[in-house]
Amino acid sequence: EPEVTQTPSHQVTQMGQEVILRCVPISNHLYFYWYRQILGQKVEFLVSFYNNEISEKSEIFDDQFSVERPDGSNFTLKIRSTKLEDSAMYFCASSPGTGGSGNTIYFGEGSWLTVV
Amino acid sequence: GEDVEQSLFLSVREGDSSVINCTYTDSSSTYLYWYKQEPGAGLQLLTYIFSNMDMKQDQRLTVLLNKKDKHLSLRIADTQTGDSAIYFCAEMDSGGYQKVTFGTGTKLQVIP
Repeated sequence: EPEVTQTPSHQVTQMGQEVILRCVPISNHLYFYWYRQILGQKVEFLVSFYNNEISEKSEIFDDQFSVERPDGSNFTLKIRSTKLEDSAMYFCASSPGTGGSGNTIYFGEGSWLTVV
Repeated sequence: GEDVEQSLFLSVREGDSSVINCTYTDSSSTYLYWYKQEPGAGLQLLTYIFSNMDMKQDQRLTVLLNKKDKHLSLRIADTQTGDSAIYFCAEMDSGGYQKVTFGTGTKLQVIP
């Protein structure tokens, strides 16, 4: 079964450093997302991406964050200058957007980011 | 904004049925989902229900939706130890870009 894949599975970075989290959404999906989950807390929406542009973003997704789809398969989340409070599990997700299961969102295994 | 609430913890004996409840506030929700998260793992989609349905059954899973009360439940029949995990209720709003709002998660503990 097709799946969303994420790399790295775990990254430790120093405060102030830039981090890029990578995702390969399911082929032929049209909508892409990033969510995050701080340890022990809710899964929170960060950003959605459709037709090569951000379609919606939350207040968490400030100027430190950016997303990109550099080629036909990858979808990346960049955090420019990491802060301690950015430590969380970051989930990438994708959705077909059309068809019978068009509104089904599939998540990757997550990238655990630790900022020290 | 949208809000999704769940009880935090549920403990059941192996072989019994589990019922996990969820309430939401967005009356224009289009789809409602149940995801399972095992320790240290990702979010596994278990099942979903369209907002114009009352019930959906999928093997051991039964989803009930009371749209009037904005109440969603997940029943797991013959609960097994492998069902121990955190279960998240989530709703998709009607905003057009398919953003999903998650509940707080219910930790299900299955006692052998």
